[in-house]
Amino acid sequence: GENVEQHPSTLSVQEGDSAVIKCTYSDSASNYFPWYKQELGKRPQLIIDIRSNVGEKKDQRIAVTLNKTAKHFSLHITETQPEDSAVYFCAASISGTASKLTFGTGTRLQVTL
Amino acid sequence: NAGVTQTPKFQVLKTGQSMTLQCAQDMNHEYMSWYRQDPGMGLRLIHYSVGAGITDQGEVPNGYNVSRSTTEDFPLRLLSAAPSQTSVYFCASRRVAGQETQYFGPGTRLLVL
Repeated sequence: GENVEQHPSTLSVQEGDSAVIKCTYSDSASNYFPWYKQELGKRPQLIIDIRSNVGEKKDQRIAVTLNKTAKHFSLHITETQPEDSAVYFCAASISGTASKLTFGTGTRLQVTL
Repeated sequence: NAGVTQTPKFQVLKTGQSMTLQCAQDMNHEYMSWYRQDPGMGLRLIHYSVGAGITDQGEVPNGYNVSRSTTEDFPLRLLSAAPSQTSVYFCASRRVAGQETQYFGPGTRLLVL
């Protein structure tokens, strides 16, 4: 089955700096890659996703890049703010009726003042 | 819309007891799933369903049963709770076709003594 590895497990940045979280996947057939943000005690919420037919997607301060050849994808957060502090999860799946998301182990991002 | 709801929010069980975690969604989503979240291990899929009357196993199904008699509800049953089942459980739902955004419920925190 699919295996998703995520690094780093913790990341501390100063407010205003950029943060990058990286994930690799094992199944070359995977074609859907969402990123979820989970604040303490809350549910995971989708912040951005990308499909394998594009290499990059942006949404304001958040961007995701995908390298299909190397089977890795990354989340980039620019101009970080204290409210960006949370745990971020990457995931991968093969699109379809019964597709199953496989999650990475998460990155705890701390944005310090 | 209430989205995805879960009950209870928190439960303490003794080893060997049984219980049912409830999950409901009002978005008419065909696909529903259960995950458990443990520290450092991300979200792992327990069981999923692509429609009423159809269920299948995920990554960690042992010790759990599910059924799907209606589109709206997807209960998770622990027949004989074990301390290893201490975790936070999330239910999620999404449409089968088109956009694959998965919506999570608020979670149930389970402690098995």
